[in-house]
Amino acid sequence: GAVVSQHPSWVICKSGTSVKIECRSLDFQATTMFWYRQFPKQSLMLMATSNEGSKATYEQGVEKDKFLINHASLTLSTLTVTSAHPEDSSFYICSAPHRGDTEAFFGQGTRLTVV
Amino acid sequence: KQEVTQIPAALSVPEGENLVLNCSFTDSAIYNLQWFRQDPGKGLTSLLLIQSSQREQTSGRLNASLDKSSGRSTLYIAASQPGDSATYLCAVSGYNTDKLIFGTGTRLQVFP
Repeated sequence: GAVVSQHPSWVICKSGTSVKIECRSLDFQATTMFWYRQFPKQSLMLMATSNEGSKATYEQGVEKDKFLINHASLTLSTLTVTSAHPEDSSFYICSAPHRGDTEAFFGQGTRLTVV
Repeated sequence: KQEVTQIPAALSVPEGENLVLNCSFTDSAIYNLQWFRQDPGKGLTSLLLIQSSQREQTSGRLNASLDKSSGRSTLYIAASQPGDSATYLCAVSGYNTDKLIFGTGTRLQVFP
């Protein structure tokens, strides 16, 4: 199957700083990628749809100024958590649909801890 | 708005038992349904995908069925093993979109 790589796998940052998470499609091009968030013992919630060359589409209730998404190339989308607070601590995971396959491919996820 | 629910929320069984995990969705206009496995602190592993036109898929000890009209899917795990312990998530996608709506998950523990 197609490979989606996410980096870093975990990060600890201080309150008020910004953190960037990368999501790469390694062996295919992805014009669209999805960013999900998962709180402990809860399911995955879609945050936004990242669109190559255009603005991301955010789900209701997700602050676009806080969670900056950039999809500058066909293989890379980034999620930047700006001015992080402890309540932003969560598991963030990206996925990319692969044309020709109907299943979704996910990155390994990033565990963010804000202290 | 599509809502996906899974029951039970948690399950603890001795190894060897056959298990049934349930997934229900409110909008039957789905394109496909996927079952995933998630180990603690890890990403997702895709287990089975069922297209809306299909009724079931099988992979090894796993069998997933889909009743689209009633908004239900079941994941059947045969002869459970301790290595099956994980959280199982179902997710549906709609037509003309690749984004997934995830269920609430079932945390499974299989003890020796």
